[in-house]
Amino acid sequence: QQQVKQSPQSLIVQKGGISIINCAYENTAFDYFPWYQQFPGKGPALLIAIRPDVSEKKEGRFTISFNKSAKQFSLHIMDSQPGDSATYFCAASTYHNDYKLSFGAGTTVTVRA
Amino acid sequence: ETGVTQSPTHLIKTRGQQVTLRCSSQSGHNTVSWYQQALGQGPQFIFQYYREEENGRGNFPPRFSGLQFPNYSSELNVNALELDDSALYLCASSFWLSERVYEQYFGPGTRLTVT
Repeated sequence: QQQVKQSPQSLIVQKGGISIINCAYENTAFDYFPWYQQFPGKGPALLIAIRPDVSEKKEGRFTISFNKSAKQFSLHIMDSQPGDSATYFCAASTYHNDYKLSFGAGTTVTVRA
Repeated sequence: ETGVTQSPTHLIKTRGQQVTLRCSSQSGHNTVSWYQQALGQGPQFIFQYYREEENGRGNFPPRFSGLQFPNYSSELNVNALELDDSALYLCASSFWLSERVYEQYFGPGTRLTVT
């Protein structure tokens, strides 16, 4: 079963807009939450990651928001650019099995110029 | 681009055959994990290798097996191929220190088609 539920399945945003992707989990043992970006024909590339000791992490135009009590985390892409058009995956792992990433189903983001 | 390389890029096999996929880790990394990504889905963890031994396994049958070599490169072997094995197979390397695995970096994958 999917341990990490990701939504929406796809989204379209205008250039300069904000893309928001949400993920939810049930396993409270998860303590590492990375986001990956994947272009067609390529492997996933690590974008940004967060641990539950912080509620937000920002790197450039990408921000992760984390809500431990709700067991939810989200990726915000600010000032979206056509080059951001890709599939984004959230993932999670536990301390004792942190090599075993559980991925969401992915969100395909299309940025229209 | 990460320093993780995989070969071959594409492969077509017939049901019942066996296949070997290869992965070279990023320099400085000592663990390798393998994932299967079916079309339109997120990657699914197959197993991880550390110090040339399988260290953890996902929900995959024994016909999926692997090896890690002293130079940390790795192979994924799949026996008795089934149509459902058609997928992108991803290798991810990382560094394991003090019981923690740090960020995993993925290779470009091998696209396997089983007919």
